[in-house]
Amino acid sequence: DQQVKQNSPSLSVQEGRISILNCDYTNSMFDYFLWYKKYPAEGPTFLISISSIKDKNEDGRFTVFLNKSAKHLSLHIVPSQPGDSAVYFCAAAMNRDDKIIFGKGTRLHILP
Amino acid sequence: EPEVTQTPSHQVTQMGQEVILRCVPISNHLYFYWYRQILGQKVEFLVSFYNNEISEKSEIFDDQFSVERPDGSNFTLKIRSTKLEDSAMYFCASSTPGYGANVLTFGAGSRLTVL
Repeated sequence: DQQVKQNSPSLSVQEGRISILNCDYTNSMFDYFLWYKKYPAEGPTFLISISSIKDKNEDGRFTVFLNKSAKHLSLHIVPSQPGDSAVYFCAAAMNRDDKIIFGKGTRLHILP
Repeated sequence: EPEVTQTPSHQVTQMGQEVILRCVPISNHLYFYWYRQILGQKVEFLVSFYNNEISEKSEIFDDQFSVERPDGSNFTLKIRSTKLEDSAMYFCASSTPGYGANVLTFGAGSRLTVL
């Protein structure tokens, strides 16, 4: 039962270009969405979040877009840098205090 | 910067043996979690712990699993009788409600290999 889906297991992007990571969810009760980033041999680290009352949240090079009607969110990284190469997990929760449900992750490769 | 520390980083055990994975959450955090990731699969929620009791657990967290906060700093996950399918990376995480309880800080993980 995949409530949070990341359909692209991997993505390669040229350094300096925009990286777009996509995520779909099935549970309409989700009200809060997060992106986590994971390097090998480390735990996931929080990157950016968005609540359902917004459709966009920006933090430096990272922007998350939420389309509630389509149950879709995306993470944009611009410009992409070599240090952005990692696995990115989309996550969702019923509210800001609830457990988070992760997607399977998308491995992003930034090419020189 | 405060961090969540986990020990051991890797444990190999025989099927049927008991395993205890240890975690030291960030000191002023109030919510504690265990997640696991089987190789190549998603990070799965196991259990959340708040105010010295389990607040929620998943269907994975059956009677073979238990958690404990034996003192003011440690948070442990015990698997009583390990199975092959328990082989995974186990992540401990903690959070504080003031920042949104689900902005979790994760440890680096404990890799469990059951033979």
